[in-house]
Amino acid sequence: DTAVSQTPKYLVTQMGNDKSIKCEQNLGHDTMYWYKQDSKKFLKIMFSYNNKELIINETVPNRFSPKSPDKAHLNLHINSLELGDSAVYFCASSQERGGSNYGYTFGSGTRLTVV
Amino acid sequence: DAKTTQPTSMDCAEGRAANLPCNHSTISGNEYVYWYRQIHSQGPQYIIHGLKNNETNEMASLIITEDRKSSTLILPHATLRDTAVYYCIVRVANRDDKIIFGKGTRLHILP
Repeated sequence: DTAVSQTPKYLVTQMGNDKSIKCEQNLGHDTMYWYKQDSKKFLKIMFSYNNKELIINETVPNRFSPKSPDKAHLNLHINSLELGDSAVYFCASSQERGGSNYGYTFGSGTRLTVV
Repeated sequence: DAKTTQPTSMDCAEGRAANLPCNHSTISGNEYVYWYRQIHSQGPQYIIHGLKNNETNEMASLIITEDRKSSTLILPHATLRDTAVYYCIVRVANRDDKIIFGKGTRLHILP
């Protein structure tokens, strides 16, 4: 009964390719997020998406684009992959914007390796 | 969001209380203290949060000093499954841009 599920768990791809990571939550949460955890283990927010409102961390390259077909899904599409995009990407959701009352619920992560 | 400082690693014996400190000397009045943990190969898990009062839930207790410049997460009876990296974050509620989880404290529970 996974609350936030991501697929695939592992993704190995070549530079220049375009790839997508899917995320689904069955918690009925209103807001979804994408986080990136780099090789130094820092976990940084990339996007938050609430009721069709997208908030972007300005440090995220525009090669990254979230797509939300409905409230339960927020997929991450990455164009023209670069070596530096290698990281673990986490999807998360929260009942309210910012997860202020109950925190975020995270998925188990997608390890992306660009070769 | 204010920055936090945590010890890189800590050990705790199984069954004892684990006390994880966090310094956030530049915290502002509208910023909350949040704690998450990340068990190996899993996503982070929310533990607890607070503004200025001490808080307790089924997982842990959070003690915030009166000046709010530091806090301590307490796991009252640590088990081996509590081995994880623990992150202390301070942030404004309902704001999620620019959130960064730092390096956290790697807690080892010893049998």
